[in-house]
Amino acid sequence: AQSVTQPDIHITVSEGASLELRCNYSYGATPYLFWYVQSPGQGLQLLLKYFSGDTLVQGIKGFEAEFKRSQSSFNLRKPSVHWSDAAEYFCAVFPNSGGYQKVTFGTGTKLQVIP
Amino acid sequence: DTGVSQDPRHKITKRGQNVTFRCDPISEHNRLYWYRQTLGQGPEFLTYFQNEAQLEKSRLLSDRFSAERPKGSFSTLEIQRTEQGDSAMYLCATRGSGEQYFGPGTRLTVT
Repeated sequence: AQSVTQPDIHITVSEGASLELRCNYSYGATPYLFWYVQSPGQGLQLLLKYFSGDTLVQGIKGFEAEFKRSQSSFNLRKPSVHWSDAAEYFCAVFPNSGGYQKVTFGTGTKLQVIP
Repeated sequence: DTGVSQDPRHKITKRGQNVTFRCDPISEHNRLYWYRQTLGQGPEFLTYFQNEAQLEKSRLLSDRFSAERPKGSFSTLEIQRTEQGDSAMYLCATRGSGEQYFGPGTRLTVT
């Protein structure tokens, strides 16, 4: 069964500092990979996605993520964090061939931004 | 705004009561999903529709839960005889070209 691990439950960074959120997945093949952001009490907004091709993908709000097959990882990065980035971030996988049609989410990383 | 709407946004109910939530998907999306999210957790899959057919149900979906998608348009999720453990955010999502688009969710509080 597919699974997603986000090892950092909570991260605090200073405004303007760089950010990297970790994500590792377990799946028989390369799945589709996503990062979502969720503000308190809100639904999930898609930041970026990887299906195939270039392993460095650009997303909205200045975020990027790099797929590393050898490490089964899909880490999210941002060079300079803004206070408005404070939210919870979820990594997710989706099978790219048949099987279950569901997205499997990690447990999330809560980002706090300090001035 | 993703184009997926959910109603109501918040629901407070007493234990034992029945509740029903509605999801209106993006019109051209034929795949619709329900997820449940509890505090501090990622969303967990509940069920999946392709058009009006319910093709997948999680073991999380007990007999008290039922979901429908008549005519392959909007969907409803009903919980009968609610329990305090049902308190959660219920998210609806529809699938386009690979990714899912999520609605704002319905937050259920069972007192």
